[in-house]
Amino acid sequence: KQEVTQIPAALSVPEGENLVLNCSFTDSAIYNLQWFRQDPGKGLTSLLLIQSSQREQTSGRLNASLDKSSGRSTLYIAASQPGDSATYLCAVFGGGADGLTFGKGTHLIIQP
Amino acid sequence: ETGVTQTPRHLVMGMTNKKSLKCEQHLGHNAMYWYKQSAKKPLELMFVYSLEERVENNSVPSRFSPECPNSSHLFLHLHTLQPEDSALYLCASSRTHLQGNQPQHFGDGTRLSIL
Repeated sequence: KQEVTQIPAALSVPEGENLVLNCSFTDSAIYNLQWFRQDPGKGLTSLLLIQSSQREQTSGRLNASLDKSSGRSTLYIAASQPGDSATYLCAVFGGGADGLTFGKGTHLIIQP
Repeated sequence: ETGVTQTPRHLVMGMTNKKSLKCEQHLGHNAMYWYKQSAKKPLELMFVYSLEERVENNSVPSRFSPECPNSSHLFLHLHTLQPEDSALYLCASSRTHLQGNQPQHFGDGTRLSIL
């Protein structure tokens, strides 16, 4: 059974810093990996999707990498801003009836 | 504007009540999903519908009953729920279910409280 772990569980940094969020998964047989953000009381917003054949994806100040063989992904946030404060969720898609398997998330606070 | 709309946003019900959650997507997607988000736990997939057909998932109690009348609408019928069923219920959709390059789009969820 696929398991997804996110480290750290919570992170607080001053505005302007670059930061890295980590995600690991136990079964490397995945179709894709997605990073989401969730604001309090809201649903999930998809940030980046990396297909299993890709190594990284970039969107603005966000860069996500994927090392499928080692079961790891990182989300790099450059020049962090208070508006980046949210919970960031990593999820892998293994196909079939299982849909997405999520980690518990990293709760990120950017201090003004 | 998420493209996936869930109603109601909040629901409080007793254990003997019957209620339904509704999800509607205007993205032209063919796959729809129900997820449960409980405090301190990862999101859990409950049900998957692809082209209006349910993909079997046997780990959900029968007090939760999904219905997908067409590709744009998904319901979750609730009956005789337990206090541990209190959670945020999220609906999602994607263009197809089994292709690796299709992101899932989520609604804002229904916050369910069981008294």
